[in-house]
Amino acid sequence: GAVVSQHPSWVICKSGTSVKIECRSLDFQATTMFWYRQFPKQSLMLMATSNEGSKATYEQGVEKDKFLINHASLTLSTLTVTSAHPEDSSFYICSAVRDRGWNTEAFFGQGTRLTVV
Amino acid sequence: RKEVEQDPGPFNVPEGATVAFNCTYSNSASQSFFWYRQDCRKEPKLLMSVYSSGNEDGRFTAQLNRASQYISLLIRDSKLSDSATYLCVVNAAGNKLTFGGGTRVLVKP
Repeated sequence: GAVVSQHPSWVICKSGTSVKIECRSLDFQATTMFWYRQFPKQSLMLMATSNEGSKATYEQGVEKDKFLINHASLTLSTLTVTSAHPEDSSFYICSAVRDRGWNTEAFFGQGTRLTVV
Repeated sequence: RKEVEQDPGPFNVPEGATVAFNCTYSNSASQSFFWYRQDCRKEPKLLMSVYSSGNEDGRFTAQLNRASQYISLLIRDSKLSDSATYLCVVNAAGNKLTFGGGTRVLVKP
């Protein structure tokens, strides 16, 4: 079963509204989660690193005031796309890394397909 | 130069044939390497980790060449269900994964 759950799986919203996406690690604690964005026929691009209890770290070119990240607990990170515009339409995926010392594996949420109309 | 580069393909492969493709990475300090599989409009899923000594999992074989900074994936006896995009993923530090652009594989009857 899924170890990282992302919700919603798809959302359609009007231009100018805000959308919140949740990412939960189900059976392990994740002090760090990652948010990616994927445009059609392109690779996953890291947007930001979400750190539990502290501010997120954003990649160059990603507006922190537009993509609000909150990582309030060890199992939940949220990404809020504020004042969404059609160009924000994309596939957003979160990831959490389970590091067991001898093995590190990244698990992905199911992704959220955002369409802004 | 991109941190992780892959041939985008598509690789058109007859069912039952063998296909192999590489991925190059630029950061010599990269610590761990993975192949992920992504089906259309789905999230990536781990196919296999890549170890220094090379490793095999059924029909899939992964190799790592640190000197030349590339990893490879070989698929034997290709099945129709192997059609997907294969993502090369490199972990340089801090568990921040960097993805290649993906190699698309199409297995045809």
